[in-house]
Amino acid sequence: NAGVTQTPKFRILKIGQSMTLQCTQDMNHNYMYWYRQDPGMGLKLIYYSVGAGITDKGEVPNGYNVSRSTTEDFPLRLELAAPSQTSVYFCATRQGQNYEQYFGPGTRLTVT
Amino acid sequence: KNEVEQSPQNLTAQEGEFITINCSYSVGISALHWLQQHPGGGIVSLFMLSSGKKKHGRLIATINIQEKHSSLHITASHPRDSAVYICAVWRPQGAQKLVFGQGTRLTINP
Repeated sequence: NAGVTQTPKFRILKIGQSMTLQCTQDMNHNYMYWYRQDPGMGLKLIYYSVGAGITDKGEVPNGYNVSRSTTEDFPLRLELAAPSQTSVYFCATRQGQNYEQYFGPGTRLTVT
Repeated sequence: KNEVEQSPQNLTAQEGEFITINCSYSVGISALHWLQQHPGGGIVSLFMLSSGKKKHGRLIATINIQEKHSSLHITASHPRDSAVYICAVWRPQGAQKLVFGQGTRLTINP
């Protein structure tokens, strides 16, 4: 099992560009999460999903969109990238009432 | 005031020392995570606790639900233990979301 995979690992965007960060899991977990971690700071929740077709906002959703059409995939879309979105983005999963959280390796994004 | 507070924020020690990192929380919880993040690296779950004590190798985690407090101990510390250690809790209300502490940066010098 690959667990949680994220692509790309690194990306540099120009201001105003758009991109999609991919997250895929093969553990059949129903919960999926997107976090961002700014340099030297803690993790902040952007969006989460409790199952296919269901998503909800976290602490810092502005500037992002998500969709969850399948159990496996939870892409994060950045529209009109801004320097404030320079961060490391982590995807994570969890299965039901098991509180163990599994993190992907992260995507390091720089917006210049 | 943050719902999850860690202390110390930074800790430097010599190889071989016994390390303790503390986590206090102000809300009821369903479970508590200790996470490890190496510089520039990913995040690994070390422990998930809802009561008592767990041990993996040189790492021990304890939780006191009544006191709303958890500790992470490292015995015989090694430079490879240098990392940021993060405490995070699942609340029963809104149980879908983790609440994170600010992290403790541990540096072990050889």
